[in-house]
Amino acid sequence: ETGVTQSPTHLIKTRGQQVTLRCSSQSGHNTVSWYQQALGQGPQFIFQYYREEENGRGNFPPRFSGLQFPNYSSELNVNALELDDSALYLCASSLEPTGELFFGEGSRLTVL
Amino acid sequence: EDKVVQSPLSLVVHEGDTVTLNCSYEVTNFRSLLWYKQEKKAPTFLFMLTSSGIEKKSGRLSSILDKKELFSILNITATQTGDSAVYLCAVYTGTASKLTFGTGTRLQVTL
Repeated sequence: ETGVTQSPTHLIKTRGQQVTLRCSSQSGHNTVSWYQQALGQGPQFIFQYYREEENGRGNFPPRFSGLQFPNYSSELNVNALELDDSALYLCASSLEPTGELFFGEGSRLTVL
Repeated sequence: EDKVVQSPLSLVVHEGDTVTLNCSYEVTNFRSLLWYKQEKKAPTFLFMLTSSGIEKKSGRLSSILDKKELFSILNITATQTGDSAVYLCAVYTGTASKLTFGTGTRLQVTL
């Protein structure tokens, strides 16, 4: 166990809806990164938060947004859901922005 | 665009065999290469490599990086059924905070 917890573990939404995924980082970690993993693919970087500020973003549209709170927990919000957003969303925390990542168990999102 | 390629995509071996997994990369401003094991959901950290030619070992697993030829290998000796998983290779680049992952190698160890 990495100490990184995510919720919910599974959820089903319909196209056009909005979703919020949550992540609690490992104690002492000030950096949280979010990844999207489609079936049979490696994780794709969405964005990273370091000390409550966005610290890098991958090739995802603006409808993917995030927050980091003073306790370093984080949220990923996705608006106007599309079928292709169906994936496993992984949160990872680290001691620093380019340190080893400790992943949570993920939130599996299905968009119908 | 940064690229990480893993091979083979999948393989099946018998318990006790030794396997070598490959990872090559084409990136700008390489910083480090990481290996992860993914059994069900959460990838678990195996190794971080930053220097060429220095082998890192953990039990039956070992890994080495070649920054001149732009690749890394992950070796698993005396494989066990518990080694069955997807092994992911990823690279940190430049000032970016993102890890670029390969698609992974699916290893199945049979009795």
